[in-house]
Amino acid sequence: EDKVVQSPLSLVVHEGDTVTLNCSYEVTNFRSLLWYKQEKKAPTFLFMLTSSGIEKKSGRLSSILDKKELFSILNITATQTGDSAVYLCAVDNAGGTSYGKLTFGQGTILTVHP
Amino acid sequence: DTGVSQNPRHKITKRGQNVTFRCDPISEHNRLYWYRQTLGQGPEFLTYFQNEAQLEKSRLLSDRFSAERPKGSFSTLEIQRTEQGDSAMYLCASSLSAGFYTGELFFGEGSRLTVL
Repeated sequence: EDKVVQSPLSLVVHEGDTVTLNCSYEVTNFRSLLWYKQEKKAPTFLFMLTSSGIEKKSGRLSSILDKKELFSILNITATQTGDSAVYLCAVDNAGGTSYGKLTFGQGTILTVHP
Repeated sequence: DTGVSQNPRHKITKRGQNVTFRCDPISEHNRLYWYRQTLGQGPEFLTYFQNEAQLEKSRLLSDRFSAERPKGSFSTLEIQRTEQGDSAMYLCASSLSAGFYTGELFFGEGSRLTVL
């Protein structure tokens, strides 16, 4: 059975801290790894990673994938209270044209205090 | 608002009743997905459509669940004879088709179901 495990499950930091969120996976037919942010209701897309060692960056957020060790990390530098959310890691594990069928991890709850 | 729209946002029902949720995707998206999320867990894939065709359904999905997407536009998810274990947030998402897929699923805000 395909599996995505995130750690830590929750994290409390102060504004300005740097955090690293972890995601490991076991899937039979890997296509890509994705990170989403869920603040209240709807998850919103952050990154899609398909190749090892290539960092994706957007502002203070960055992510990298290691396909040999089967994990990814999401880094957030200089955290702000607006970064407080659940961060979801997912793997697109479908073959053929069935992309978008994602297996999600349980999420990391990040709380940033002023 | 041109995002993914879901209705109703909240539904409280008694065990054994049928419920139906509706999803209106972003208009130019021909892929539509249903996911279910329970408290403290990530979303779980239920089914997806390419235009009006339902291409895959999770094998974990009970026969009490059925989804349609007539004419390839909006979609409905029906749960028959609801059980307390069906209580969850039902999320709909849409995306572009194969040649334009970027990994981004656009999620709606969900329909929360509570079965008493």
